[in-house]
Amino acid sequence: QKEVEQDPGPLSVPEGAIVSLNCTYSNSAFQYFMWYRQYSRKGPELLMYTYSSGNKEDGRFTAQVDKSSKYISLFIRDSQPSDSATYLCAMSDGGGSNYKLTFGKGTLLTVNP
Amino acid sequence: GAGVSQSPSNKVTEKGKDVELRCDPISGHTALYWYRQSLGQGLEFLIYFQGNSAPDKSGLPSDRFSAERTGGSVSTLTIQRTQQEDSAVYLCASSLTGGVTGGYTFGSGTRLTVV
Repeated sequence: QKEVEQDPGPLSVPEGAIVSLNCTYSNSAFQYFMWYRQYSRKGPELLMYTYSSGNKEDGRFTAQVDKSSKYISLFIRDSQPSDSATYLCAMSDGGGSNYKLTFGKGTLLTVNP
Repeated sequence: GAGVSQSPSNKVTEKGKDVELRCDPISGHTALYWYRQSLGQGLEFLIYFQGNSAPDKSGLPSDRFSAERTGGSVSTLTIQRTQQEDSAVYLCASSLTGGVTGGYTFGSGTRLTVV
């Protein structure tokens, strides 16, 4: 079992839909949780960052972390065609190697106009 | 520059040849990372540089891989005697300090194809 599992999709939704992206993980030491967005032929860019459990909202994006279930989610409201990209979850244990991220494989999202 | 710059953007090489991949981090960023993104795989950590400290090389997949960072700035990832399984996108990132809380800034990567 990989440390971080993420459904690769692809996921196709109409413009305006609410999108839910998820990851599960097995390492209970993970404390820092991130979502990166990667457009085709580009490097990933940080979208959301959450420490420990809880919710965080930024505009149309909401990140949720449930450490008891080892489950994290990213919600996108009012999705736009410009949201079409691969979304990667990433985690770190915050210990001595807290510079090191463990990534999921990414979910490819297409938002259709 | 404004972002992390990687060169070349694409590299096709013959099996058995050596390749060098270059990364120019954001000016002033002390931490530099190399990751590899293979088809169907997530990003895999390769190596981490922080200031003058010894690098964390724990992610390098074999002794054919090496990396250096000169003057605390530019980094070069070298792959010797390339194999087809080395085909991947090699991503470099930098951050102001070590640690993930501020997020990395990634370059666009070097797409390596070994034929």
